[in-house]
Amino acid sequence: DTGVSQDPRHKITKRGQNVTFRCDPISEHNRLYWYRQTLGQGPEFLTYFQNEAQLEKSRLLSDRFSAERPKGSFSTLEIQRTEQGDSAMYLCASSLARRTGGLYEQYFGPGTRLTVT
Amino acid sequence: LAKTTQPISMDSYEGQEVNITCSHNNIATNDYITWYQQFPSQGPRFIIQGYKTKVTNEVASLFIPADRKSSTLSLPRVSLSDTAVYYCLVGDGGSARQLTFGSGTQLTVLP
Repeated sequence: DTGVSQDPRHKITKRGQNVTFRCDPISEHNRLYWYRQTLGQGPEFLTYFQNEAQLEKSRLLSDRFSAERPKGSFSTLEIQRTEQGDSAMYLCASSLARRTGGLYEQYFGPGTRLTVT
Repeated sequence: LAKTTQPISMDSYEGQEVNITCSHNNIATNDYITWYQQFPSQGPRFIIQGYKTKVTNEVASLFIPADRKSSTLSLPRVSLSDTAVYYCLVGDGGSARQLTFGSGTQLTVLP
């Protein structure tokens, strides 16, 4: 257990429905990241927050995807009008900023597996 | 962005030392090299990060030659539980676009 939790762990939905996932990061971490991972591939970066500000979004993040982090604590990722291609594992990670440089050490949650039928 | 290249898969036996090499020919001056481990149905886990020469922690060692165009993750005396995918990332933390995990190296430890 890394201290990062995600809910739900599994979600099955029908094409066209909206889904929302929640991530609770480690409490003192000010950065929160969302990734998507499909079978046989590494995690793909979607977006990240520093506190409540969404600082970067990947080109992978279509208009159907939206993420929020109110009050800089937990975060939600919503997918509207789901498509079968959205089926994947959605991972959340959190981190502190490193003062000495380099990539921030991220702590990942267990992920939410989405299946769109 | 520095592109990384790793072997797709490797096999080893229990008790052996395993070395996984990552190539990053266009690494930038301020970039660090970071390795993550991922077990099935879990999120990746940070293993080690370094800038040059050698870094060692309780889990692994990271060897980085002087030209920094490659790096080697060394796992001493692997066990079956080290079977996982290992990812090499390169960046300075300046942009989240550097968070490119690629396909990683599938390490299978055999009894």
